[in-house]
Amino acid sequence: DQQVKQNSPSLSVQEGRISILNCDYTNSMFDYFLWYKKYPAEGPTFLISISSIKDKNEDGRFTVFLNKSAKHLSLHIVPSQPGDSAVYFCAASENDMRFGAGTRLTVKP
Amino acid sequence: NAGVTQTPKFQVLKTGQSMTLQCAQDMNHEYMSWYRQDPGMGLRLIHYSVGAGITDQGEVPNGYNVSRSTTEDFPLRLLSAAPSQTSVYFCASSYAAGSLNEKLFFGSGTQLSVL
Repeated sequence: DQQVKQNSPSLSVQEGRISILNCDYTNSMFDYFLWYKKYPAEGPTFLISISSIKDKNEDGRFTVFLNKSAKHLSLHIVPSQPGDSAVYFCAASENDMRFGAGTRLTVKP
Repeated sequence: NAGVTQTPKFQVLKTGQSMTLQCAQDMNHEYMSWYRQDPGMGLRLIHYSVGAGITDQGEVPNGYNVSRSTTEDFPLRLLSAAPSQTSVYFCASSYAAGSLNEKLFFGSGTQLSVL
């Protein structure tokens, strides 16, 4: 039973617009949430994270929002660039780290 | 700085064969883990270790063994390969042990095919 879910397998946006990637979780004991980015034939790389005691964390073009009551988090990328095209994984941790199925983002020039 | 190194990058096995996927990190990380990536399933945790001599099961441990005799190495063993184990395997490490609030560093992956 997947505890972290990304229900959108793919997302396509125009360059310069906002990309919003969504993630839901079921385990209320998760205390840290992270987003990873993965290019083909490479391992995932860390992008941004948020502690469960916060509701927003921003790093340049990337912002993560956490809604604990809804058990939902989202990643906003503004403005989107073609180099952002990759698979994005949502992850949540307690004693170990669990990942969602990923969302493939395509940013069109 | 090598980071997390996985070998081999590609492997083809016949059903019933055994093999070991190697993983080494040079960052003195306490936490190490193995994931498999399958289409539509994302990354699923196989086994993890919070330090030398300590291992634990993740979401999908059946068919895999691990050991952690040193801080640096965390090999994954397939005792009798099955076609269902065809996947891309990633090793990852982190500074943290216990409550994991540190980012994971991943290797570049091993693509395994079991015929």
